[in-house]
Amino acid sequence: QKEVEQDPGPLSVPEGAIVSLNCTYSNSAFQYFMWYRQYSRKGPELLMYTYSSGNKEDGRFTAQVDKSSKYISLFIRDSQPSDSATYLCAMIWSDKVIFGPGTSLSVIP
Amino acid sequence: DTGVSQDPRHKITKRGQNVTFRCDPISEHNRLYWYRQTLGQGPEFLTYFQNEAQLEKSRLLSDRFSAERPKGSFSTLEIQRTEQGDSAMYLCASSLSRSDTGELFFGEGSRLTVL
Repeated sequence: QKEVEQDPGPLSVPEGAIVSLNCTYSNSAFQYFMWYRQYSRKGPELLMYTYSSGNKEDGRFTAQVDKSSKYISLFIRDSQPSDSATYLCAMIWSDKVIFGPGTSLSVIP
Repeated sequence: DTGVSQDPRHKITKRGQNVTFRCDPISEHNRLYWYRQTLGQGPEFLTYFQNEAQLEKSRLLSDRFSAERPKGSFSTLEIQRTEQGDSAMYLCASSLSRSDTGELFFGEGSRLTVL
């Protein structure tokens, strides 16, 4: 079993839709959770960061962590074509960032 | 600050040749990471430095791979006797060890194609 798993997609939604991206992990010791966004031919960039279970909101983005289920989610409201990218969930472990395989999202105008 | 820069952006080489990639991190960042990313996968950790000390190498990293950060600033990643399986995007990232979030700042990567 891989440490971090995501549905690879691709996921295609119409502009304005609510998008739900999900990630599961196996190591219950993970405590720091992040979502990175990666545009084509670019390096990943940090989108959201959270430490505890619960929700964290930033504009159109909400990150949700359920440590008891080892499950994290990213919700995107009012999705825009500029949100088209690969979304990587990630955890910090021993000074390293461990990435999931990513979910490719396309938002169609 | 121009961010993390990597050179070259794309390298095409024949199997068996040696290649070297360079990474210039954000100047005040003391940590520097190398990751490898293949199509449809997330970045995979290779190694990292704090200042000039190499603190960890992935068990997946073969002896053909070596990385240096001689003065705690730029870093090089060398791959000797390249194989077709080495074809990937090699990403460099930097960070501050005292960062609250542990955020990594990535360069745009160096794409390696081994023929």
